[in-house]
Amino acid sequence: GAVVSQHPSRVICKSGTSVKIECRSLDFQATTMFWYRQFPKQSLMLMATSNEGSKATYEQGVEKDKFLINHASLTLSTLTVTSAHPEDSSFYICSARDIEGEAFFGQGTRLTVV
Amino acid sequence: AQTVTQSQPEMSVQEAETVTLSCTYDTSESDYYLFWYKQPPSRQMILVIRQEAYKQQNATENRFSVNFQKAAKSFSLKISDSQLGDAAMYFCAYRAGTYKYIFGTGTRLKVLA
Repeated sequence: GAVVSQHPSRVICKSGTSVKIECRSLDFQATTMFWYRQFPKQSLMLMATSNEGSKATYEQGVEKDKFLINHASLTLSTLTVTSAHPEDSSFYICSARDIEGEAFFGQGTRLTVV
Repeated sequence: AQTVTQSQPEMSVQEAETVTLSCTYDTSESDYYLFWYKQPPSRQMILVIRQEAYKQQNATENRFSVNFQKAAKSFSLKISDSQLGDAAMYFCAYRAGTYKYIFGTGTRLKVLA
């Protein structure tokens, strides 16, 4: 199947700083990418849908100014957590949709804000 | 609104035995897809099996098969000849035309040696 690479896999940052997470589709073009957040022992919660060349669509309750999403190319979307706080600590997962509508997942990023 | 419900937070199965994980969903759409994903401790989401709603035949992938009951909006996963490597969280998921996936709350499967 198609490969989606997410980087970094783990990141620790200080409270008040920003951190960027990258999601790349390695062998296919992804017009749409999705960003999820997963709390321990819980399901994946969709944060936003990212479409190449346009603004992301955020789910209700997700702060768009805090979670900045950029989808500048057909193979790369980034999620920037701005002014991170300890409550932003979580596991973030991206997925990229291929031309047939199938979604492939990155390996996730564990963010710890100290 | 579409919803996906997994009523079994945790299940256990003896190695080499068969286990069935339950999933129900609610939708007003007629054309959609259903999925089972496996999330091992590495937390990488792995597609186990998918089912197109317009297909009456139940999908099968080696030891994994589904029982898709469209009228009842039920989509259960059967794992045959369970192996230790099957231990993981299993998520049922739904996708319609918007390509937005909706996930259930997950079932933790334990495989006993």
